[in-house]
Amino acid sequence: QITLKESGPTLVKPTQTLTLTCTFSGFSLSTSGVVVGWIRQPPGKALEWLALIYWDDDKRYSPSLKSRLTITKDTSKNQVVLTMTNMDPVDTATYYCARIPPDWSSGYGDWGQGTLVTVSS
Amino acid sequence: QSVLTQPPSVSAAPGQTVTISCSGSSSDIGNGYVSWYQQLPGTAPKVLIYENDKRPSGIPDRFSGSKSGTSATLGITGLQTGDEADYYCGTWAKSLGAYVFGAGTKVTVL
Repeated sequence: QITLKESGPTLVKPTQTLTLTCTFSGFSLSTSGVVVGWIRQPPGKALEWLALIYWDDDKRYSPSLKSRLTITKDTSKNQVVLTMTNMDPVDTATYYCARIPPDWSSGYGDWGQGTLVTVSS
Repeated sequence: QSVLTQPPSVSAAPGQTVTISCSGSSSDIGNGYVSWYQQLPGTAPKVLIYENDKRPSGIPDRFSGSKSGTSATLGITGLQTGDEADYYCGTWAKSLGAYVFGAGTKVTVL
């Protein structure tokens, strides 16, 4: 059974750095073809893709947020970590991690439940 | 503003059929695979369709996907009250080097 779960602070202050952890089970990020990404959704708004990391440690970032994002993986802990610097109230959103199955060319097949992050002083 | 264009809302009576369009360009839909996601109120998105027209196990065949050129379509037949949700299309935009989602379509069952 594939599971993903996001964890991190629920409240951050403006200008602070957000660190979110995606802890998963049922697969390994060392397996060829596995990809894990982060997606966020401001309250009442659409999904926004943030970043992804490949099994071989290749990474991709949203062009509009690239300067603020860093994605890393810890294969031994089955975790993917996303950091976002210089947080602003507009970054208030539910943050999801999701997996692209290794036999899929595209599409996020498995999702975490999401974690709501509020940016406020 | 989303790279992919979806209608804000569609509606139909129970048992009827709805289609949701997703329009892009040769740099995104026209150059890759489209996925469709269903997001029920207060829950995480769930994939309904991947690689344009494939259904993951457990997704009923009432849901179908297709792609033609730079547009994709999600079809829902035998509409049920439980299908009331937001639906998003998504694809890899080669020109951006990023995954992109549409703005979402709210399906209402009348």
